[in-house]
Parts: sequence; C-alpha cells; structure tokens
Amino acid sequence: ETGVTQTPRHLVMGMTNKKSLKCEQHLGHNAMYWYKQSAKKPLELMFVYSLEERVENNSVPSRFSPECPNSSHLFLHLHTLQPEDSALYLCASSQRQGGSSYEQYFGPGTRLTVT
Amino acid sequence: AQSVTQPDIHITVSEGASLELRCNYSYGATPYLFWYVQSPGQGLQLLLKYFSGDTLVQGIKGFEAEFKRSQSSFNLRKPSVHWSDAAEYFCAVAVLYGGATNKLIFGTGTLLAVQP
Repeated sequence: ETGVTQTPRHLVMGMTNKKSLKCEQHLGHNAMYWYKQSAKKPLELMFVYSLEERVENNSVPSRFSPECPNSSHLFLHLHTLQPEDSALYLCASSQRQGGSSYEQYFGPGTRLTVT
Repeated sequence: AQSVTQPDIHITVSEGASLELRCNYSYGATPYLFWYVQSPGQGLQLLLKYFSGDTLVQGIKGFEAEFKRSQSSFNLRKPSVHWSDAAEYFCAVAVLYGGATNKLIFGTGTLLAVQP
C-alpha cells in the first residue's frame, strides 16, 4: 500500500449503530487530520493529531470520537449519528518540519450514509 | 479571519482551450498556498504549492499557478485542457495555529467541465 488509505470506502449505518472509520498513512508522516466534505459546503476540518496528540477539536459533536494510536493510524468512531452527518469523510497526513507542517496528502475518503 | 474565495462555482471549457481558475485569499502573514484536484468519488490530489521564491510555480499534469501578493491571488492555469482534467479544483491556504502546526483553509471549489 502507498500513500493514505481509508476503509471502508462506503458505509451505510442506522442512527443507533456504532461504526469506525480507519485511516492509515504509509508516508512516514507525523500529523493526521479528519475532514468532512458535504455537498455545496467547504471542507470542514474536524480533528488534527500532531505527534499522536490531538491539537484541534473543531467544535465537533461528541458523537464523533477520534483515536490516534500511533503516527500511522487514525480512527473515527461513530455512534448515534444523524442524517445530516452523511458526507464524505477524508483523512489526510502531513509532515511536521521545523515546527510547521506543510502540504497534506489525502486518502480516497469514506462515503457515509446515515439512514 | 483567514479565508479563501473561489468566485467561479462552475466553469466549462472546450478541450484544447486554455484555462484559468481564480483564487483569492485573506491571510495576514506570508501565505503557504496550494491547489488540489478531486475527481468524483475520490480524495484530493495535490497539484502544486507555493511557499516562497519564484511566484510562478509549476505542478503536475501541466498546471501552473501564479502568486500575486498585491492582488492576494493564486490563480491556476493550464494552456491546453484535456478531457481528463474535468474535476473539482480546490484552492487552500495553510494557516498557523497553536502548537506550531498548520491547518488548511479551503475554498468552496470550482467544478470544471470539458466539452469535446
């Protein structure tokens, strides 16, 4: 595997289900991100992990719970979602260099539908 | 507040024609600027980036972009569009926030259609 991978690519879940999205980066980066992409809206940054510590939680509802067990893996745990949470969820990674991280590399996304 | 504006939501060009996609940013310091492309159902692919130096930057797939500080712009260009360039294009600026980590602020995107 190369780059940033995400599984599953598609997910349909009911509002009472619990599911998890997985992201893995094979680039040796040390910062990882979750974005939400909804139709007709700009990409929304949800969470940022830098050196496995969460550095941003962008006012995201608690029904989304991130986990970063190491610098290569990032999870997004989902529970009791709402239909408006249906979107494309994108994972990205970047390399912190000299105190700053630069360009981000994105995975293919997970298309989530909440029924 | 930092922001990115892409004034064109949809653009249609004929194959072989030239292309320019507009991007304006608002950021107080020297910006780090990016263009990404997204094909349907896919993630974002980095086309090119500007950090400093030469204001005309070359990217992949024959794209280039020019940074104009006086106009707060970073427009994307291609001299001859191919049908495979049909996709959505996003401009982004990296902003520094707590802990010396950057985050990307994206524009709303420009959807490019290519006519045969």
